[in-house]
Amino acid sequence: SQQGEEDPQALSIQEGENATMNCSYKTSINNLQWYRQNSGRGLVHLILIRSNEREKHSGRLRVTLDTSKKSSSLLITASRAADTASYFCATDSNQAGTALIFGKGTTLSVSS
Amino acid sequence: DSGVTQTPKHLITATGQRVTLRCSPRSGDLSVYWYQQSLDQGLQFLIQYYNGEERAKGNILERFSAQQFPDLHSELNLSSLELGDSALYFCASSVIAGLNTEAFFGQGTRLTVV
Repeated sequence: SQQGEEDPQALSIQEGENATMNCSYKTSINNLQWYRQNSGRGLVHLILIRSNEREKHSGRLRVTLDTSKKSSSLLITASRAADTASYFCATDSNQAGTALIFGKGTTLSVSS
Repeated sequence: DSGVTQTPKHLITATGQRVTLRCSPRSGDLSVYWYQQSLDQGLQFLIQYYNGEERAKGNILERFSAQQFPDLHSELNLSSLELGDSALYFCASSVIAGLNTEAFFGQGTRLTVV
């Protein structure tokens, strides 16, 4: 089944630095979403990028999408300790084209 | 608060037992997703319902079943529980099916099988 795979699995940075996470997927998609999960909590939607978009911004977040490489990246600028969380990308399921399928996520740790 | 309500928040039960997890989606959302999250398997998609009908099926075991009722709330039934079923179970809802809109997640039910 289609699945986004995030890279790296874990990332540790200092406050103020930028954090970049990548997502690769296997087959064509219509849209791709990024979510954030604080430890043991529900996922929270961050941003949706459509297949005809190459870049999207939301506050300190910047998402890019390269459909030719089947990859997306999430950049968090000027990281804060509060950004410490796991980040997931979500892609289609090829079973029915409607389900959200998540990768294993990138665990980001921002130290002050 | 996402508007998605899951009950119970915590559940401890013995192997071989059966439990029911409940999810109330956000008002107006027709699509409900169920996920299982464990440390070694990540966030696994189990099943999706849309307006009462099963829409997509993921890695859901035969011991597990789900349904969505006319009032759009959903229940996930887990039977013949095994130690390996211990996990966080999340429900999410969205207005429509698929990736054209964001999904809203509940806070999850932590199931511990002893």
